[in-house]
Amino acid sequence: DTAVSQTPKYLVTQMGNDKSIKCEQNLGHDTMYWYKQDSKKFLKIMFSYNNKELIINETVPNRFSPKSPDKAHLNLHINSLELGDSAVYFCASSRQGNSPLHFGNGTRLTVT
Amino acid sequence: GENVEQHPSTLSVQEGDSAVIKCTYSDSASNYFPWYKQELGKRPQLIIDIRSNVGEKKDQRIAVTLNKTAKHFSLHITETQPEDSAVYFCAASIGGNAGNMLTFGGGTRLMVKP
Repeated sequence: DTAVSQTPKYLVTQMGNDKSIKCEQNLGHDTMYWYKQDSKKFLKIMFSYNNKELIINETVPNRFSPKSPDKAHLNLHINSLELGDSAVYFCASSRQGNSPLHFGNGTRLTVT
Repeated sequence: GENVEQHPSTLSVQEGDSAVIKCTYSDSASNYFPWYKQELGKRPQLIIDIRSNVGEKKDQRIAVTLNKTAKHFSLHITETQPEDSAVYFCAASIGGNAGNMLTFGGGTRLMVKP
């Protein structure tokens, strides 16, 4: 059983397109996240979301938007894709407070 | 916001030797410090974590120490094995109702030579 699953695993698209990455967790966690890992392996928080609060990293362009249909899902929508958006995007989840994050297997996005 | 620095960026050791990775953080309010291991092409996985009310924690060959006054924490791996080769990330956060927005260090690529 995959605890945090995200699809697709690979996504290749052209500049200017709009795309979505889906994420689901079956751990019963309250909070979900999106992280971006660039080519130098830096892991950077993009969003943190639970049913009460959305926290957005101020450096994330507003072309990126999280959408949560329910507590177990947090999808990432990206509008007007740019070359610099190419990266691996990881979804994660955790309980509230100081709890470990459980990561999905990542989605490698390539913008051409 | 929080800033986490990690050193060294690469570390090569002989099998059986010890490896130490060090991190410093900037926000004195941070109270949760996990370490993640990421193998090539895979997701980060938690290997050990420590909270600010504890100075040291050990799990078999892995230990973490925390110095709140100096705002630094370290990962110690003893008796390294080739399967320990991976990228290791430290992180820090202030846990709250919205969960853990972890700030990660830049990573350390550990290579264990057989």
